[in-house]
Amino acid sequence: AQKITQTQPGMFVQEKEAVTLDCTYDTSDPSYGLFWYKQPSSGEMIFLIYQGSYDQQNATEGRYSLNFQKARKSANLVISASQLGDSAMYFCAMRETNTGFQKLVFGTGTRLLVSP
Amino acid sequence: ETGVTQTPRHLVMGMTNKKSLKCEQHLGHNAMYWYKQSAKKPLELMFVYNFKEQTENNSVPSRFSPECPNSSHLFLHLHTLQPEDSALYLCASSQDLGSTDTQYFGPGTRLTVL
Repeated sequence: AQKITQTQPGMFVQEKEAVTLDCTYDTSDPSYGLFWYKQPSSGEMIFLIYQGSYDQQNATEGRYSLNFQKARKSANLVISASQLGDSAMYFCAMRETNTGFQKLVFGTGTRLLVSP
Repeated sequence: ETGVTQTPRHLVMGMTNKKSLKCEQHLGHNAMYWYKQSAKKPLELMFVYNFKEQTENNSVPSRFSPECPNSSHLFLHLHTLQPEDSALYLCASSQDLGSTDTQYFGPGTRLTVL
């Protein structure tokens, strides 16, 4: 089974609207970390937000928030007030205790296109 | 200087060439990583170094040879590559190997093997 599943290959949103990018994960480890990265066409992976498995509250970073539903094993990224510069690939990733935290496992990504 | 830098940004090489990719991090981190990103495939971890010691080799072919002379520098030496090795190679670093340690990536080297 895939560790990280991103079911939306592509998403479209209008500028200033909010958008949710889906991510589900699979682990039997009680301790893990979930990450979201943005990859513009230039190639660099830009860290956006982190959620720990024991965190009681959903993580937020500026316009980014993570909708963490532990029982459902989902960690969806919400981008509020989309901007043209948000157009990029978005990757969900996870680190687990049982791999010694060395492996950051990525999903296949979602391409977001923000239109004017 | 930005956090993680990589050179060159683009590289075209023949199958018989030998080349090296360089990564440097200015974040004072202890762990460094090489990843491969091929078209339409998830990012694949290749190597992990922690305090200059290799802690993970994710079944990478020997035509890829990493080198970590210190905690700030990481190299990937390439020789006799195949066309299927064409990909974006990303370097990353993190403070340590803990679950909360965020990995910060460089801009990548886009490699084309002819």
